[in-house]
Amino acid sequence: DTGVSQDPRHKITKRGQNVTFRCDPISEHNRLYWYRQTLGQGPEFLTYFQNEAQLEKSRLLSDRFSAERPKGSFSTLEIQRTEQGDSAMYLCASSLAGVANSPLHFGNGTRLTVT
Amino acid sequence: DAKTTQPPSMDCAEGRAANLPCNHSTISGNEYVYWYRQIHSQGPQYIIHGLKNNETNEMASLIITEDRKSSTLILPHATLRDTAVYYCIVRGSTDSWGKLQFGAGTQVVVTP
Repeated sequence: DTGVSQDPRHKITKRGQNVTFRCDPISEHNRLYWYRQTLGQGPEFLTYFQNEAQLEKSRLLSDRFSAERPKGSFSTLEIQRTEQGDSAMYLCASSLAGVANSPLHFGNGTRLTVT
Repeated sequence: DAKTTQPPSMDCAEGRAANLPCNHSTISGNEYVYWYRQIHSQGPQYIIHGLKNNETNEMASLIITEDRKSSTLILPHATLRDTAVYYCIVRGSTDSWGKLQFGAGTQVVVTP
């Protein structure tokens, strides 16, 4: 059983650089979510896809952030011109639309450190 | 969305049952109660969910009060590997595309 996979697990970058993270959801799941988690806090919702359509974006997702899911399978989250405040764990989750209350299944995240 | 209230921390002895409380006094009729846990440096792990009936699976039991204003997650025989942050979340069945809104959770420490 392959769960949600995220790559890389860790990323260290210098302020001002661009970074891109990848998420591979559970294969039959058509819903995909991105969350951000800072130290000591619960995960915060960033954005949501159903298939390839991005249907909701949180106000936390500034203009420097962009997410894509071009073929309705894997997704990427890009952060441009990184700032130290972007340092966090970025979590991806997937679930199955059309099944009432299908739970979200999370990957183990990408930990970003901006120096 | 309805919000939940959980104690910030609790300790439990290994081998004993851990009873984790959650208050959700403003829950609506179509909202489910979900429990997740997060072990250090890992993503949240789904545990169980329910609407109004008690639920049990291989990980835990969920007891929801008749008025649905509170619930208790029961880990029947806690092990050291159950040390984690436990999140109680209320989730609508149709709103907000099923996204979850996490609070601060309860830090559970299981001691030998």
